[in-house]
Amino acid sequence: AQSVAQPEDQVNVAEGNPLTVKCTYSVSGNPYLFWYVQYPNRGLQFLLKYITGDNLVKGSYGFEAEFNKSQTSFHLKKPSALVSDSALYFCAVRDSANYQLIWGAGTKLIIKP
Amino acid sequence: KAGVTQTPRYLIKTRGQQVTLSCSPISGHRSVSWYQQTPGQGLQFLFEYFSETQRNKGNFPGRFSGRQFSNSRSEMNVSTLELGDSALYLCASSNLQNGQGPNEQFFGPGTRLTVL
Repeated sequence: AQSVAQPEDQVNVAEGNPLTVKCTYSVSGNPYLFWYVQYPNRGLQFLLKYITGDNLVKGSYGFEAEFNKSQTSFHLKKPSALVSDSALYFCAVRDSANYQLIWGAGTKLIIKP
Repeated sequence: KAGVTQTPRYLIKTRGQQVTLSCSPISGHRSVSWYQQTPGQGLQFLFEYFSETQRNKGNFPGRFSGRQFSNSRSEMNVSTLELGDSALYLCASSNLQNGQGPNEQFFGPGTRLTVL
């Protein structure tokens, strides 16, 4: 069965420091992986996706994510955090044979000035 | 292109009533998915429609139903509302090639439903 885990409910980072939001997954076939962000009282916004190719994917707002097949992980990263990055982040996965996205529980990212 | 729109943005209902929520996808998008978001349960998949056909359904009771029209607009209906149905209901559209593919979903702002 497909599944996604975001092991941290909340991540606290000081502004200017690098940030990492973790995501691990389980699928039976080749994974399609996504990161979304949700700002307060708003819908989800697409950040980036991994389909195939380069393991390092670059997305919106300076975010990037690294696909690691051996560790079945797709962690979201940013070299220098901004206070405006504070939001709820969701990881999602589907395999190549299934069009339903499976969502993680979300990680609340708090960037402190 | 205009984004995904959802109406109404806010609803207050009482237990036992029914409600219909509407979603207009991005022009050209034929796949529409619905999600329920609550603080305790996160994002829960309700159903997905493609070309007026329901392709996937999440683990929700039969009180939750939906449909998609020929112009790809979609509605979801919840009958006999319960207090636990209070949530943010999100609609997302996707430009799937031939109904498949890894294309990302684009979300609307949601409808905040409060059941009293």
